[in-house]
Parts: sequence; C-alpha cells; structure tokens
Amino acid sequence: EIVLTQSPGTLSLSPGERATLSCRASQSVSSSYLAWYQQKPGQAPRLLIYGASSRATGIPDRFSGSGSGTDFTLTISRLEPEDFAVYYCQQYGSSPPVMYTFGQGTKLEIK
Amino acid sequence: QVQLVQSGAEVKKPGSSVKVSCKASGGTFSSYTISWVRQAPGQGLEWMGRIIPILGIANYAQKFQGRVTITADKSTSTAYMELSSLRSEDTAVYYCARGGRGGATAARFDPWGQGTLVTVSS
Repeated sequence: EIVLTQSPGTLSLSPGERATLSCRASQSVSSSYLAWYQQKPGQAPRLLIYGASSRATGIPDRFSGSGSGTDFTLTISRLEPEDFAVYYCQQYGSSPPVMYTFGQGTKLEIK
Repeated sequence: QVQLVQSGAEVKKPGSSVKVSCKASGGTFSSYTISWVRQAPGQGLEWMGRIIPILGIANYAQKFQGRVTITADKSTSTAYMELSSLRSEDTAVYYCARGGRGGATAARFDPWGQGTLVTVSS
C-alpha cells in the first residue's frame, strides 16, 4: 500500500504570502492519479487539483500543482483569507485491489 | 451540476449496524462510481470502498472487508453504505463522493456529499 506523507503538518503564514505544501509518496505514483483537496471546518473536502497539475472547475489560478514520481507540491501563490484550511493529497491505485489513500493533511493557519 | 445529498445524523449502540444513504441529482448516476470516505473527529480522511452502480460491483478497503457493504439503487440514483459491528472507534463523519469509472477520471472525487455524523455510544 502506498503511503502519502504531507509536510509540514502545520504552516503558519500571512495573507499575501506564498504557500508551498509537500506530498511525498512511499512508491512512485502516476501523475494522472494524484489529487489535492481543501477542507474547511465543518465542510466536506473540495477538489482543487487533479492529475497533479490540473485545476478543478472554479478553482482560482493562484492554486497550482506540480511534481511527479514520489514528490508532489501544491502552491498557493498569494494567500487570501479564505485559503486558510486543511489540505490533503490523495492517490489512486487501480491495480487490484483498487485503493485510494490520503495524506494526513497540512493545516494552513493564519500567522 | 451533480449534487450528492446524504441522510441525517445517527446515534448507534456498540455492536449494531448503521446504513447511510447518498442521493445523486442533476447527473447520470450510473455512469460514475460512488466512494465512501470517513473522517474521525479531528482526524484525516480514510477511504472505505466504492461502487460502480451500472455494474453493481463494489470494491472495499482491506481494513473494512467483511464489515462494510456498499450498494446502489439505479432507479432512485441512491447509494448506500452499511457498516456493521459498530464500535466507538467508528464514530466519524461519513462522506460519499463521486468518481469517474476508469482511468484518470476514477482517480478524483468531485463532488462530495455534505457528510453524515455517526456516533457510536452506549
């Protein structure tokens, strides 16, 4: 089973700053099968990035994803107040057995 | 625009079962997969399993094999997740989420239901 490790666990930044969140996989992951989600308190997760670098519908262009193999990054270019939330990466394993795994999350908090 | 609407909160006794529903509207239910993901209080996300409604085939995470059953009713565009032998550690918010049927589209979940809180307590 592929394990996703996100770092840092908590990131303290100010609005207007740049955020860089990391997701490292224990084995190589197809870029097509790597996604990022945002979750705010009391809400369901929301898809931000799929295929490692494609923005989901309605996601602002300040959000970008990159990476390949075992190292993936979510970047928020200039933080807006509404961006402070928890972010999860997720991978899909299509070979039997089918499996989806999530990273443990990075909490982005206001400094 | 597809929306997933889940059933309401449940309180259950240890050892009992719970069945949560997820009704899809605004899209073609059978053309996608529906996964179930849970989140214990203050914890991260955990995938439990999924169903392909058009085929009626379900896949389960090994951790939940034998204890979870995911079904779908194409006539009402509703998916169900039943978890048995409940214990306190099963207290969590349970989400349904839509995925594609294959390839890269199967790799992502969008949209998600609003979540259903299941509390297991004696």
